Amino acid sequence: EPEVTQTPSHQVTQMGQEVILRCVPISNHLYFYWYRQILGQKVEFLVSFYNNEISEKSEIFDDQFSVERPDGSNFTLKIRSTKLEDSAMYFCAGRQGSGNEQFFGPGTRLTVL
Amino acid sequence: EDQVTQSPEALRLQEGESSSLNCSYTVSGLRGLFWYRQDPGKGPEFLFTLYSAGEEKEKERLKATLTKKESFLHITAPKPEDSATYLCAVQKGTGGFKTIFGAGTRLFVKA
Repeated sequence: EPEVTQTPSHQVTQMGQEVILRCVPISNHLYFYWYRQILGQKVEFLVSFYNNEISEKSEIFDDQFSVERPDGSNFTLKIRSTKLEDSAMYFCAGRQGSGNEQFFGPGTRLTVL
Repeated sequence: EDQVTQSPEALRLQEGESSSLNCSYTVSGLRGLFWYRQDPGKGPEFLFTLYSAGEEKEKERLKATLTKKESFLHITAPKPEDSATYLCAVQKGTGGFKTIFGAGTRLFVKA
C-alpha cells in the first residue's frame, strides 16, 4: 500500500539556521499540506498547496516559511531562520482530487537549540 | 470562530468495556468531519469521513456518527491495541480545504 514518506525523521538545528523538511507524497495525490504539532498540543494547519501554488495558509505560516514542489515528486517545507518555538513535529499530508481524506506521513521531529 | 472540542481528554477502559468519545464543532462551511488515530510519535492515521447529519461509518470495533453539532466515536469491546489518541478534525469547504483538529482523546485500554 502506498505511503507518504518524510525525511529526515529527526532534525536538530541551531536557532537562526535554515532547515528544509522533505516529503514524498503518494503518487496520485494532487493536494498537499503541511501541519505541525508542538509536543502535547493540537495538530495545526500550516499550508495547503495545489497546482504548484499555495491555496491557503495559516497565520503561523509567515515569511520565514516557504513550500515548493521542485520536481513533481518531492514536496518541501523550508524554514529560513529557525526559532526555538519552531521545535515541533512537522507532518506532510496529501489527498486525491476525489475524496477529502488526507493521508499523513510519519513526521519530522524538528528540534531547535 | 471555527473550533473543534473533544471530550474527555483521557479515557481509561478495561478490555471489553465499551464507551464513546465526543467531538463538538463549530465551523463555517463544513465540508467533512474526520476521525484519525494517532500513536505516540507517529502521524495521524485516517479512520473515517462523515459528511452529513445522520451518517454512520463502521470499522471493526469502531463506529462514527455525526449530528449537526457533534460527532461520536463509539468503541465496542475495546482491546489493548486500541490504545491511542483519537483525533477529530473538520474540513472547511472553501479555499484550500483547511483542516482544523481537536486536541484529541487519549484512550488507554487495560487487559
